[in-house]
Amino acid sequence: DAGVTQSPTHLIKTRGQQVTLRCSPISGHKSVSWYQQVLGQGPQFIFQYYEKEERGRGNFPDRFSARQFPNYSSELNVNALLLGDSALYLCASSLQGASYNSPLHFGNGTRLTVT
Amino acid sequence: GDSVTQMEGPVTLSEEAFLTINCTYTATGYPSLFWYVQYPGEGLQLLLKATKADDKGSNKGFEATYRKETTSFHLEKGSVQVSDSAVYFCALSGGGSNYKLTFGKGTLLTVNP
Repeated sequence: DAGVTQSPTHLIKTRGQQVTLRCSPISGHKSVSWYQQVLGQGPQFIFQYYEKEERGRGNFPDRFSARQFPNYSSELNVNALLLGDSALYLCASSLQGASYNSPLHFGNGTRLTVT
Repeated sequence: GDSVTQMEGPVTLSEEAFLTINCTYTATGYPSLFWYVQYPGEGLQLLLKATKADDKGSNKGFEATYRKETTSFHLEKGSVQVSDSAVYFCALSGGGSNYKLTFGKGTLLTVNP
């Protein structure tokens, strides 16, 4: 079975631009989460969506937004890019939330570089 | 809020050496605890998990025991291999926020032949 797929794998943008990252969850998984991983740090939670509704939001500015589609795929949008937005963006899917009974399965990430 | 503290890396070991990576946590309630591993160029993979006090998670020779009294979840392996070289992340969910994982900063392990 296919795992979590993310596109693109790499992306280079200029400060002030906008970017859209895409994620397809594992078949049957209804929850998608987004994490930001800055080099040398652990992933930081951005959003979780379950059944197309936002279930949780991390401590990120309003420049970050996301949505989940009827087929459970998801997009993460970041507006007005800053140099500090350069990071690996990870998408994870699960049957429900991030719990013992519903562990997260991560994609390989999108490497975003802002110049 | 919830937080996870891991031992600073990098950790460099010879093949067949014993491994311990320390992890302690702060959380409200009774979180579930996880270890994830990230191989170069890849996303995170779940290595093992535990949901309540004294539970022992194990996988691929790795073990970790949920210690509520010391709020710890240390990762151990008796004999590491070169293929174990990766970044290891301790994480928790539940406590005050059941919908997300809170990660430590990660520990880079390098195993030399």
